[in-house]
Amino acid sequence: GQNIDQPTEMTATEGAIVQINCTYQTSGFNGLFWYQQHAGEAPTFLSYNVLDGLEEKGRFSSFLSRSKGYSYLLLKELQMKDSASYLCAVMDSNYQLIWGAGTKLIIKP
Amino acid sequence: GAVVSQHPSRVICKSGTSVKIECRSLDFQATTMFWYRQFPKKSLMLMATSNEGSKATYEQGVEKDKFLINHASLTLSTLTVTSAHPEDSSFYICSARERGDLEQYFGPGTRLTVT
Repeated sequence: GQNIDQPTEMTATEGAIVQINCTYQTSGFNGLFWYQQHAGEAPTFLSYNVLDGLEEKGRFSSFLSRSKGYSYLLLKELQMKDSASYLCAVMDSNYQLIWGAGTKLIIKP
Repeated sequence: GAVVSQHPSRVICKSGTSVKIECRSLDFQATTMFWYRQFPKKSLMLMATSNEGSKATYEQGVEKDKFLINHASLTLSTLTVTSAHPEDSSFYICSARERGDLEQYFGPGTRLTVT
């Protein structure tokens, strides 16, 4: 079966760095997405990785290792507004997104 | 950037009535649209995928006759929840994808409450 695993909840301090991990087992692979979702709102796109390595975009970076079925989202210089759920999603061989359950990130002052 | 709208943003209806939710792509042609449902503190659950001009493909366990999906044009898809029950109360989110583009663009979601 297809499976996406990520931690349920993480807590970090304002100004610090946090890494949210995601492991996956899917039928085929056409890329991995990270989305941010604030409570009661729709997800917003953060990053897309299809090749191994690190993609940096401002305070956010995303890493992928296809051989390990592993990705992480790295958030630097955390701000209170970064408190949200972070969803990992893998596009399978049918170009459908398989979603993780999301990681709720709590930022403390 | 690509914008997707959803209407209404919130709706309250009585048990037994039907509710229609609209999803529109405002600045691109959405050849494929997706409808998701999300329960509190849970991830997105794909309900169905619809391609313009074709019948929707429903995920296992989703009742076709209860959740009617129409994708009549390249900019509009509708989800109708028929004979709504309180257990249908949820956050419904649509997303749209343009031909050749892997990214899905999400609408703002519709909060449905059935009393």
